[in-house]
Amino acid sequence: SQTIHQWPATLVQPVGSPLSLECTVEGTSNPNLYWYRQAAGRGLQLLFYSVGIGQISSEVPQNLSASRPQDRQFILSSKKLLLSDSGFYLCAWSGLDISSGNTIYFGEGSWLTVV
Amino acid sequence: DAKTTQPNSMESNEEEPVHLPCNHSTISGTDYIHWYRQLPSQGPEYVIHGLTSNVNNRMASLAIAEDRKSSTLILHRATLRDAAVYYCILRDSRITGYQKVTFGIGTKLQVIP
Repeated sequence: SQTIHQWPATLVQPVGSPLSLECTVEGTSNPNLYWYRQAAGRGLQLLFYSVGIGQISSEVPQNLSASRPQDRQFILSSKKLLLSDSGFYLCAWSGLDISSGNTIYFGEGSWLTVV
Repeated sequence: DAKTTQPNSMESNEEEPVHLPCNHSTISGTDYIHWYRQLPSQGPEYVIHGLTSNVNNRMASLAIAEDRKSSTLILHRATLRDAAVYYCILRDSRITGYQKVTFGIGTKLQVIP
């Protein structure tokens, strides 16, 4: 069965410090990968998506970047964090199985607090 | 991307059925209706999806209107663990790559003991 893991689960970082959140998917190949952010009490905002290795598209301009060095690995990064980067970050994947209706599967989430 | 609209919040008494509505008047013929729920401090989890016919699984039932412009997620007996935010979204079955999907603020379900 497919699983998705992301880490770290929580982190507190000072303003101006770098960020690296990692996400891996197991049990599937060539997944579509996504990074979402959720501010407190708000909906999910899509940040990046990737349809293949090295293929990254950004939905919103921001202080963050994403990379996909391997088929099932997705990394969210920042060189210098801002206070506004605080939030709940979610990695997700979807497969090519049409019978599943293109279901999206989410990771456990990473809480980032920038201080 | 086709939009969905849901009430911001709903309440239910424990062990009573809950009907969570969703409107999707601009749905296309190839859009699947998906429901997800997000428990506090967790990522959203898949609940159920359907195309035209009503669907049942161990978590819930999905009732789809005949014109497909609305649907209802049915929790047959609400428990305190069902307190969550419920999202209704549409996914185009023709697209295997990326498709822009907007998760709104969903419906926050409060279950009263």
